[in-house]
Amino acid sequence: AQTVTQSQPEMSVQEAETVTLSCTYDTSESDYYLFWYKQPPSRQMILVIRQEAYKQQNATENRFSVNFQKAAKSFSLKISDSQLGDAAMYFCAYTSPRDDKIIFGKGTRLHILP
Amino acid sequence: NAGVTQTPKFRILKIGQSMTLQCTQDMNHNYMYWYRQDPGMGLKLIYYSVGAGITDKGEVPNGYNVSRSTTEDFPLRLELAAPSQTSVYFCASSYWTSNEKLFFGSGTQLSVL
Repeated sequence: AQTVTQSQPEMSVQEAETVTLSCTYDTSESDYYLFWYKQPPSRQMILVIRQEAYKQQNATENRFSVNFQKAAKSFSLKISDSQLGDAAMYFCAYTSPRDDKIIFGKGTRLHILP
Repeated sequence: NAGVTQTPKFRILKIGQSMTLQCTQDMNHNYMYWYRQDPGMGLKLIYYSVGAGITDKGEVPNGYNVSRSTTEDFPLRLELAAPSQTSVYFCASSYWTSNEKLFFGSGTQLSVL
């Protein structure tokens, strides 16, 4: 079964600094997709970034970028120029077209220090 | 536009009671999902559906049932509620595949006492 592991339950970063959140996954599929979702205190889930496994180029969305290492099954999220509004739970997620399940990791709580 | 609507937002159940969590989306999405979120445990997939009339088990289906008679609605039924089902429940949907952006409801906080 596919699994998603986030090994950092909590992290802190100074405002305007850069932080990297880690995610590893286990799968035997070659075609799959990876996501990072953000959950602020409002509890609303927000898609941050999406990566297609067959694309070698790392996805980027403004201050958010990923480091996708397919061979290592690693999918880390880098947040540049951290802002107070980035404080939230961040979830890594995986899906493959073969079974349509979307599996989430346990999450990393990110604190932004002013 | 409403998006994904979940009702109720909060509910307290007694052990052994039953209830249905409602989920409706108005985006004509085919894929719908139910998750539960427990502190420190992330989101666990309960059931999902890829279209009307089709449902499948997720990671933690025991104690729950679902149906998908229409594209819009995907209710989650709890039979014989137990304290272990105390959680926040999220419904989510995507248009045509699982690899698209998920649209989430605002969640239902359920306590079983």
